[in-house]
Amino acid sequence: GQQLNQSPQSMFIQEGEDVSMNCTSSSIFNTWLWYKQEPGEGPVLLIALYKAGELTSNGRLTAQFGITRKDSFLNISASIPSDVGIYFCAGRKETSGSRLTFGEGTQLTVNP
Amino acid sequence: KAGVTQTPRYLIKTRGQQVTLSCSPISGHRSVSWYQQTPGQGLQFLFEYFSETQRNKGNFPGRFSGRQFSNSRSEMNVSTLELGDSALYLCASSLDNTNTEAFFGQGTRLTVV
Repeated sequence: GQQLNQSPQSMFIQEGEDVSMNCTSSSIFNTWLWYKQEPGEGPVLLIALYKAGELTSNGRLTAQFGITRKDSFLNISASIPSDVGIYFCAGRKETSGSRLTFGEGTQLTVNP
Repeated sequence: KAGVTQTPRYLIKTRGQQVTLSCSPISGHRSVSWYQQTPGQGLQFLFEYFSETQRNKGNFPGRFSGRQFSNSRSEMNVSTLELGDSALYLCASSLDNTNTEAFFGQGTRLTVV
């Protein structure tokens, strides 16, 4: 089963607000990935993190790889209606090849 | 550059039948992983193929199998379908089987009736 605890499960926010979500694990991961999934589509890669402490931005999105290598967070600034979707964190262990372990997802709703 | 292509997009099968799903990775990518996504269990890893060899396998019964061809295209097969196999099956493409990004296809929505 899944080993990543992702929170919150859902968020309802107003357009323009900032959003923060995070993932924690009891295991160490050497890569953290954040994906967004919209209805009927596959997950789309947003940000990839490879080093503990790394902070990476992609437009209005910012993600960090926790120093302990057991957590990561994703921030979305100045949300817009098209940010609606489910956001997943995923971790890869050093010895697991391409295998990803996923969080349960955060359902984001943005009210215009 | 073309993305990950999965076929078919939708499939309806009857219990007891078998099904084959196909995945063409991004050109130049040699690693393909398969995941099952359901509302109750989320995204669960099925297996990973690299250089035509299965490198990793998730906790699924032997009814779930796969293979990879020399052009890196992959297929997964589910035999003796059960109602609980209804899910979105996703394929992820990576450059290799080490520390690289994974890109997903749109998935195949399988419904077992």
